[in-house]
Amino acid sequence: GAVVSQHPSWVICKSGTSVKIECRSLDFQATTMFWYRQFPKQSLMLMATSNEGSKATYEQGVEKDKFLINHASLTLSTLTVTSAHPEDSSFYICSAADRAYEQYFGPGTRLTVT
Amino acid sequence: RKEVEQDPGPFNVPEGATVAFNCTYSNSASQSFFWYRQDCRKEPKLLMSVYSSGNEDGRFTAQLNRASQYISLLIRDSKLSDSATYLCVVNLISGGGADGLTFGKGTHLIIQP
Repeated sequence: GAVVSQHPSWVICKSGTSVKIECRSLDFQATTMFWYRQFPKQSLMLMATSNEGSKATYEQGVEKDKFLINHASLTLSTLTVTSAHPEDSSFYICSAADRAYEQYFGPGTRLTVT
Repeated sequence: RKEVEQDPGPFNVPEGATVAFNCTYSNSASQSFFWYRQDCRKEPKLLMSVYSSGNEDGRFTAQLNRASQYISLLIRDSKLSDSATYLCVVNLISGGGADGLTFGKGTHLIIQP
């Protein structure tokens, strides 16, 4: 089956620093990758959609300058949380869509900003 | 109005029981429907797609009512391992599409021995 990895699994950082999260499709090429965020007891919320080689499309209310997305290849997308603050602490999950448009989720990254 | 609404539960049911829960969606243009399962602090995993004709996978049965815009999930002969949060998910594009999914908050199910 299709496998999507995410690194790191969890990260604790200080307020004001930047954190990069990687999402990789290990055994298929992902034309589109998605980034979601989930706060405790809340639903997953789509943050942005990224297509390989083009700029990401952000959902309303998501700051593109704060959440930098790079989709440089068909197997890798990165999300950088810049100048992180405690309110950015959340569970960040990526998903990757293959050519059949099935979506496969990564294991998630738990970010805690102190 | 939320796009996908579910009763958050928790639903506490004894092992072996049958349990069902529904969700409603607000966008009538939604084309694809899914149930995902999410365990605590883990990523969601696809349980099953939901088709207009209804579909069954082992102990799980999903149904879609487009007229009323609701989706249901029935679990028969529940197992302890069924304890999880069940997420109702819709998509505007048929077949999953290269489009972001819209998730409900989830229904928390606890199967008791």
